[in-house]
Amino acid sequence: SAVISQKPSRDICQRGTSLTIQCQVDSQVTMMFWYRQQPGQSLTLIATANQGSEATYESGFVIDKFPISRPNLTFSTLTVSNMSPEDSSIYLCSVVAGDTGELFFGEGSRLTVL
Amino acid sequence: GQQVMQIPQYQHVQEGEDFTTYCNSSTTLSNIQWYKQRPGGHPVFLIQLVKSGEVKKQKRLTFQFGEAKKNSSLHITATQTTDVGTYFCAGGEGSYIPTFGRGTSLIVHP
Repeated sequence: SAVISQKPSRDICQRGTSLTIQCQVDSQVTMMFWYRQQPGQSLTLIATANQGSEATYESGFVIDKFPISRPNLTFSTLTVSNMSPEDSSIYLCSVVAGDTGELFFGEGSRLTVL
Repeated sequence: GQQVMQIPQYQHVQEGEDFTTYCNSSTTLSNIQWYKQRPGGHPVFLIQLVKSGEVKKQKRLTFQFGEAKKNSSLHITATQTTDVGTYFCAGGEGSYIPTFGRGTSLIVHP
């Protein structure tokens, strides 16, 4: 299993600013992902955070808007840049731990952009 | 690309009634996972199915994987208020990251 600490848990931000979300895992993991969950919606994969190289972004998400860092196998950050109200969402860090492909999720960061 | 459709979007039941959510994929899956998200919480893994026609049970929860490995269902017998939450299926294709369905929100009325 994996225990994931994510912060901040919530924040209220002004339009045009940027916010960085941190994800810390209690063990080394190869695969780490960032998801977005808009109110009442499903989980949408933003990107795979790759250790030592650039993140792999899904269609509709770009590095300039969502820069990601992954300096080691236990830590990653996601920045939401130049925020607009449409970015109001829950952002979730997730990892694969073990052999089954089971995803473990952080508690999420609830972001409100005014 | 792969699409995973899940129905219904919402389901209201009286406590003690049964509940079922269905998941359908546009492509053949290598596995399907199910997650539960309590209100205000994060998704928590319930189970993974990998074999055609597989059926697994966890107490009052029964999970099925279709023969063609393109559909799955989760059935809860005699719902309780603790079952409240959103249930997501997530379909996987080999080594690819699973695609999540939209989820079914279960509301249980006491």
